[in-house]
Amino acid sequence: QQQVKQSPQSLIVQKGGISIINCAYENTAFDYFPWYQQFPGKGPALLIAIRPDVSEKKEGRFTISFNKSAKQFSLHIMDSQPGDSATYFCAASKGGGGNKLTFGTGTQLKVEL
Amino acid sequence: DAGVIQSPRHEVTEMGQEVTLRCKPISGHNSLFWYRQTMMRGLELLIYFNNNVPIDDSGMPEDRFSAKMPNASFSTLKIQPSEPRDSAVYFCASRPGTSGGEQFFGPGTRLTVL
Repeated sequence: QQQVKQSPQSLIVQKGGISIINCAYENTAFDYFPWYQQFPGKGPALLIAIRPDVSEKKEGRFTISFNKSAKQFSLHIMDSQPGDSATYFCAASKGGGGNKLTFGTGTQLKVEL
Repeated sequence: DAGVIQSPRHEVTEMGQEVTLRCKPISGHNSLFWYRQTMMRGLELLIYFNNNVPIDDSGMPEDRFSAKMPNASFSTLKIQPSEPRDSAVYFCASRPGTSGGEQFFGPGTRLTVL
């Protein structure tokens, strides 16, 4: 049973544009929602994370929007750059600690010049 | 800062052989995680340890898989006997605390079972 659904599977954005990746979860006990960035041949790296007590978190060009009632959260990449081209994974866990992360299926982002 | 170290980076073996993957977590980190990544199933948590003790192994596929953490600086994931469907990238991650915080991933081991 897939508990975190991620879309789109792939995304092409022009340089300077906004990249938007969406995730939806089923388990209302989830209380920690990180996004990971993975480059080819590398392990995932934490990009940004949010807890459900806030609706938005921004770090530089990266913003998480969180909608608790809809059980959805999204990653926005402003002013997308070619260096942002990577695979992005949303994830969720419960217990506040991010122990057992359930990952989405990933979005392959390509930022074109 | 060396980060999480995994070895080997690539492993090709034949069905039925024993495979051992190794991980050295970041010094001072108290939690260690083993993940498997495939195209079909994405990233899946196999097992994690807190202070060298296995906490949750519910993600381990079957008895052919076993993981150990004999000390704070070393962990192994063993598959015996290996099967073609075990082909995947296996990641090890470590975390400073035992109840939350960022997980730092290693570069992964790409396993191919022929």
